[in-house]
This record gives sequence, C-alpha cells and structure tokens, in this order.
Amino acid sequence: GENVEQHPSTLSVQEGDSAVIKCTYSDSASNYFPWYKQELGKGPQLIIDIRSNVGEKKDQRIAVTLNKTAKHFSLHITETQPEDSAVYFCAASTTGGSYIPTFGRGTSLIVHP
Amino acid sequence: DAGVIQSPRHEVTEMGQEVTLRCKPISGHNSLFWYRQTMMRGLELLIYFNNNVPIDDSGMPEDRFSAKMPNASFSTLKIQPSEPRDSAVYFCASSLIGAVNTEAFFGQGTRLTVV
Repeated sequence: GENVEQHPSTLSVQEGDSAVIKCTYSDSASNYFPWYKQELGKGPQLIIDIRSNVGEKKDQRIAVTLNKTAKHFSLHITETQPEDSAVYFCAASTTGGSYIPTFGRGTSLIVHP
Repeated sequence: DAGVIQSPRHEVTEMGQEVTLRCKPISGHNSLFWYRQTMMRGLELLIYFNNNVPIDDSGMPEDRFSAKMPNASFSTLKIQPSEPRDSAVYFCASSLIGAVNTEAFFGQGTRLTVV
C-alpha cells in the first residue's frame, strides 16, 4: 500500500517568512495529492491540491510542486501570517478504482508575529 | 450543504461502556471514511465505504470496533466495550469517487475520552 512521509513535524517561522513542507510517497500509481489545513478543534480542510499531470500549482500565497520521478511534493507558503498557524497534512491517492487517501503525519506550523 | 455532520462533538464515557459515533456525509457523495487521530499515530484510516458497502476495514483496530452505513446519508462507528486507549478524536469524511475524484471533506470530529 501507499506510504506517505512528511517533514518537518514542527516548523516555526517569523511572520512574513516563507514556510516549506515536504512529502514523499511510495506508490508510483498515486496521481492526486491534496493538502489539508487543520485548525485547533476542527477537522482538516482542503487548501490546495495537485494532480499528476501538472508540476506546479499556485493559489495566492500558497503553492504546491510535484516531482513524479522523485515521488515527492511540497507545500510552499509565502509571506506567512499568524493565521497560517495550524497543522498541515499532505496526502496521496489514486483517482478511480479503490480510492483511499493516505495521509502524512502532519506538520505543526507556528507563525510568530 | 452543511458539510459533513458528526455527533456528538464530545463524548466522555467510562471504560467498558458502549460508544456510538454518528456521521451524516455530504449529500451526493458516494464514499465515506472514518479516521482516528491521536498525537502518537496521526490520522489513521479505520474503514472506508463506497456506495454504502465497506470496502476496506483493515484499519479497524480490533473486534471491539464496528461500523455500519445503512444508507447513503448515515453511518455509525461503534466501540463496545470501550477502553481508555480508545481516547482520540474520530473524524468522518466523505467524497465523490468517479471519473474525477473530489477531495475528502471532513466533519468537525468527535473527541472521545474513555475514563
């Protein structure tokens, strides 16, 4: 089955700095990679996703990159703000067929004002 | 749509008691997942339903755990008897699986404490 590794487990940055979270996956058949943000006391919510037919996707201050050859993908947050503080999860899955997203262990991002 | 709705939000119970967690997925979604979240193990998939049928229950920790999905709009996760090590946040998520899959939408979770 799929195995997703996520690093770092905690990340502390100053407001305005950039933050990068990295994930690797093991199943070359995986072709859908969502990122979730979990705020305290809430369920994870999708913030951005990328499919295997593109290498990069951007949405305002967040961007994701995907390297299929190396089987890794990353989340980039620029100009971080205190409200970006949360736990971020990456996931990998295969569209169609038996679709079950496998999640990384999560990264606790702390943005200091 | 109100999103995935879970109840109760919090549950405190004594060891040995039966616990039932409930989930109402997003209307029109055909897949439902139950996850358990702990500090030690992160987000663990317990069971996955597609069109109300359990597809993968390999994550269910032991026979004390059972899940049902009697129809497309309701699912339960039952623990009987409960143990202190079952204390965790339990999430239900739903999605639409087809030619182009949607992401999983999560509920707010049920925080279970077994004393």
